[in-house]
Amino acid sequence: DARVTQTPRHKVTEMGQEVTMRCQPILGHNTVFWYRQTMMQGLELLAYFRNRAPLDDSGMPKDRFSAEMPDATLATLKIQPSEPRDSAVYFCASGPTSGDTQYFGPGTRLTVL
Amino acid sequence: AQSVTQPDIHITVSEGASLELRCNYSYGATPYLFWYVQSPGQGLQLLLKYFSGDTLVQGIKGFEAEFKRSQSSFNLRKPSVHWSDAAEYFCAVGALNFGNEKLTFGTGTRLTIIP
Repeated sequence: DARVTQTPRHKVTEMGQEVTMRCQPILGHNTVFWYRQTMMQGLELLAYFRNRAPLDDSGMPKDRFSAEMPDATLATLKIQPSEPRDSAVYFCASGPTSGDTQYFGPGTRLTVL
Repeated sequence: AQSVTQPDIHITVSEGASLELRCNYSYGATPYLFWYVQSPGQGLQLLLKYFSGDTLVQGIKGFEAEFKRSQSSFNLRKPSVHWSDAAEYFCAVGALNFGNEKLTFGTGTRLTIIP
């Protein structure tokens, strides 16, 4: 049963620290998405990739957030420096090349103190 | 720009009763529509999707949804809910064109089941 995996599942850090979240998409999926979920804003798309190339990162605060895909099996989302307002659940999702369904990982719950 | 409205923030239903969750979308072309479910502490799981064809689509766990173009709606239904259906439900719309695979999600409807 292929699944998207995310690490860590929970992260507590202090303001100003760097945070790195990792995602392993489903093997063979060529599109990868990063979402942020908060009570106030709901689910927001931060960035997405196709074939490891960033296609849209307009939802991401550019000054502190960065997203990369070092290889086809790993996507990373970094926050540097982190701020309390970044506290949220961050989801990674992957999908096949032609679009279609996005498959979500379990999320990383980030708390910035 | 595409958008999704889920007008009901929270719905409470008795176990065994029928359920309908509302979803209205705004999109300039033929939309691709999805319903996802999120259990506490979990990621989102796809319940069903509509791309084309029959406007009544069947999904997992006994759910179905009907696409009504004239009403810009894609409401989710289940004839008899189970306690395990308690979760948050998200409607989403997307273009799924090559180069534009983004989904826009509604704000969700939290479903509570009472005995």
